[in-house]
Amino acid sequence: DQQVKQNSPSLSVQEGRISILNCDYTNSMFDYFLWYKKYPAEGPTFLISISSIKDKNEDGRFTVFLNKSAKHLSLHIVPSQPGDSAVYFCAATSLHSGGSNYKLTFGKGTLLTVNP
Amino acid sequence: DTAVSQTPKYLVTQMGNDKSIKCEQNLGHDTMYWYKQDSKKFLKIMFSYNNKELIINETVPNRFSPKSPDKAHLNLHINSLELGDSAVYFCASSSGGSLAPLHFGNGTRLTVT
Repeated sequence: DQQVKQNSPSLSVQEGRISILNCDYTNSMFDYFLWYKKYPAEGPTFLISISSIKDKNEDGRFTVFLNKSAKHLSLHIVPSQPGDSAVYFCAATSLHSGGSNYKLTFGKGTLLTVNP
Repeated sequence: DTAVSQTPKYLVTQMGNDKSIKCEQNLGHDTMYWYKQDSKKFLKIMFSYNNKELIINETVPNRFSPKSPDKAHLNLHINSLELGDSAVYFCASSSGGSLAPLHFGNGTRLTVT
């Protein structure tokens, strides 16, 4: 039962253009969402997050949008750079589990390739 | 200055063997985790420890036994390895708050033949 779905296994974008990575979730208890980036042979690294009380969070070239009614979030990267080429994982959790009982549910990831 | 380090990076072993993966973090975090990335690429939590106490155990076979000798270390011991245990195992740590992001190690690729 995939509670977090990233339906595009891969995405290819030209340098300088916008990259849009999508994520859908099914569990209505999820109220905090994160994006992680992963390079080959490395562990995932935290990129950006958003709470369900917001619909947008921006950090430099990265913006995450949340549409709660559609149970959908997206990560926008503008402008895309070749160094952004990586696998991007969407993750979600319920803050009601609270404190140290912090459990992330991950999607399968989307491989982003930014072509020079 | 590796924040979360795992050893070994690669582990190839035969079915039925017992093996361990070590994890250490130098971030001063209270909470450590083991995640498994299977062949379908899903990253799934296995265990979480807070201050050496087990707080999450996600229906993992009891052949898997985590051990936390102190806050900075969380090792994973696997008994009687099976083919299906082949995966990449990631250790992670966090400061423990609900909004604290996880810091992952670089993973251990376990291959059981």
